[in-house]
Amino acid sequence: KQEVTQIPAALSVPEGENLVLNCSFTDSAIYNLQWFRQDPGKGLTSLLLIQSSQREQTSGRLNASLDKSSGRSTLYIAASQPGDSATYLCAVKAGTALIFGKGTTLSVSS
Amino acid sequence: DVKVTQSSRYLVKRTGEKVFLECVQDMDHENMFWYRQDPGLGLRLIYFSYDVKMKEKGDIPEGYSVSREKKERFSLILESASTNQTSMYLCASSSGGGGSYEQYFGPGTRLTVT
Repeated sequence: KQEVTQIPAALSVPEGENLVLNCSFTDSAIYNLQWFRQDPGKGLTSLLLIQSSQREQTSGRLNASLDKSSGRSTLYIAASQPGDSATYLCAVKAGTALIFGKGTTLSVSS
Repeated sequence: DVKVTQSSRYLVKRTGEKVFLECVQDMDHENMFWYRQDPGLGLRLIYFSYDVKMKEKGDIPEGYSVSREKKERFSLILESASTNQTSMYLCASSSGGGGSYEQYFGPGTRLTVT
């Protein structure tokens, strides 16, 4: 059974720092991996989608990588800002639905 | 832009009531999903639908049913609400066909059962 793990569960950094969030999954047979952002009490906003054939995707200050063979993905956030404070979730798609990690809660202080 | 809307942001119901949560998407997506999100447990799939009138159970279907009479609308039904169904409920949709399509989420419904 596919399991998705995110480490660390929480992270606090000062504004301007570059940071990496980690996601690992147990079964490499996936269609894609999606990174989401969730603000408190709100729904999920899709940040990046990496297809299984891709190695990375970039959007603005965000860069996500995928290493299917090792079952790992990273989300790199450059020059962090207080507005980046949120919970970041990764999810893998192996069938029709997504399997989620429990998220990393990021706090960026000014 | 894809838009997924949910009928209520906040809902308070009493134990034993029948509860309907509605989700509508405007992108002609074949697949629609209902998840619940709880602290420490993350998001878990309740039910999904890959076509009108078609449904599949997810990981935690007990105590729930679903209805999809029109392609754009997917309803989650709590037949007799219980306090352990207090949770955040999230609806999502995606294109069908191959497995590589992105899922889009609604804003969520925070349900409290007292």
